[in-house]
Amino acid sequence: QKEVEQNSGPLSVPEGAIASLNCTYSDRGSQSFFWYRQYSGKSPELIMFIYSNGDKEDGRFTAQLNKASQYVSLLIRDSQPSDSATYLCAVNPIWGQGNLIFGKGTKLSVKP
Amino acid sequence: EAQVTQNPRYLITVTGKKLTVTCSQNMNHEYMSWYRQDPGLGLRQIYYSMNVEVTDKGDVPEGYKVSRKEKRNFPLILESPSPNQTSLYFCASQGQGRAGELFFGEGSRLTVL
Repeated sequence: QKEVEQNSGPLSVPEGAIASLNCTYSDRGSQSFFWYRQYSGKSPELIMFIYSNGDKEDGRFTAQLNKASQYVSLLIRDSQPSDSATYLCAVNPIWGQGNLIFGKGTKLSVKP
Repeated sequence: EAQVTQNPRYLITVTGKKLTVTCSQNMNHEYMSWYRQDPGLGLRQIYYSMNVEVTDKGDVPEGYKVSRKEKRNFPLILESPSPNQTSLYFCASQGQGRAGELFFGEGSRLTVL
């Protein structure tokens, strides 16, 4: 059974701090990795994806991938109260069309 | 605007009354999928379709049917809804030639009494 594990949280950080969200996956052959943000009652919204080892930055967000450790993380710099949401990690076992495997999400709370 | 559209967004129904949740995408994606989301259980895949006339079961298909007669549409059918199908439902589509990111519809909140 392919699995994606996330700490459910809640993770609480003060406004302006760096929030660090982590995810591990079981399928060593996984090809691409995604971070989605989901506000309560709303649909998941893609923040970014990564498929090569290392860091990928997009604005205040940085995704980090370590395939040897089967570990993906998302850093949010200068956290804002509007970043308060549940963050879903997802893994695609193949490149392109395929069934993404989702973690259950980490709830982030950014305190003003 | 590229989007996945679901209807209805909210529905309250009674046990046994057949209902259909429609899903349509305008991105010419071949892959489409249905998920349900329940507190503490995360997103669980119900059915998916790799192309027209090709559908397959996900993790929790019991009590649901789907069809894929056209590329853009992928309706979810509850033939005889039961209270344990009360949930938040998401339709999603996925394009070819990329990492495989999913694009989600806005969700349909279904309550079965």
